[in-house]
Amino acid sequence: QKEVEQDPGPLSVPEGAIVSLNCTYSNSAFQYFMWYRQYSRKGPELLMYTYSSGNKEDGRFTAQVDKSSKYISLFIRDSQPSDSATYLCALVSGGYQKVTFGTGTKLQVIP
Amino acid sequence: DAGVIQSPRHEVTEMGQEVTLRCKPISGHDYLFWYRQTMMRGLELLIYFNNNVPIDDSGMPEDRFSAKMPNASFSTLKIQPSEPRDSAVYFCASMTQPGVNTGELFFGEGSRLTVL
Repeated sequence: QKEVEQDPGPLSVPEGAIVSLNCTYSNSAFQYFMWYRQYSRKGPELLMYTYSSGNKEDGRFTAQVDKSSKYISLFIRDSQPSDSATYLCALVSGGYQKVTFGTGTKLQVIP
Repeated sequence: DAGVIQSPRHEVTEMGQEVTLRCKPISGHDYLFWYRQTMMRGLELLIYFNNNVPIDDSGMPEDRFSAKMPNASFSTLKIQPSEPRDSAVYFCASMTQPGVNTGELFFGEGSRLTVL
């Protein structure tokens, strides 16, 4: 079993839709959770991070963590064509040096 | 700062040849990471350095892979001999310090390797 599972998609939605991206994990040692966004032929860039269960909001983006279920989500409200990218969940255990990535979900927002 | 700089951006080589990928991290970042990305396996950590010292190379797939960091501004990842299954995008990333508010990875644009 992989440490982190993420549906690869692709996920195609119309502009303005609410998007839900999810990851599940198996290792309880993960304490710190991030979402990276990767545009085509570019390196990933940090989008959001959180280290506690619950929700964290940043503009149109909301990160949600449920440690009891080992489930993390990223919601995008009012999705835009510029949101079209691959979204990778990233999990870190206590030492913080090693980041374990999901395989990424490719999102396409259709104008 | 120009960000993490990787070269070459694209490399096409034949099986058995030596491949050297290069990385210049962001100045002042103490940690440097090499990742490999494929469709099937996603982003995999190969090795990371702290203050130029290799800390964890458990992700290096086999002895054909080696990495060095001779100084704070330069690192190489070498594959010798290369095989078709090494075809992937190789990313270098740097980090200031691990931690809750500082553990962001800054990635380069990647080196796309194709081994024929």
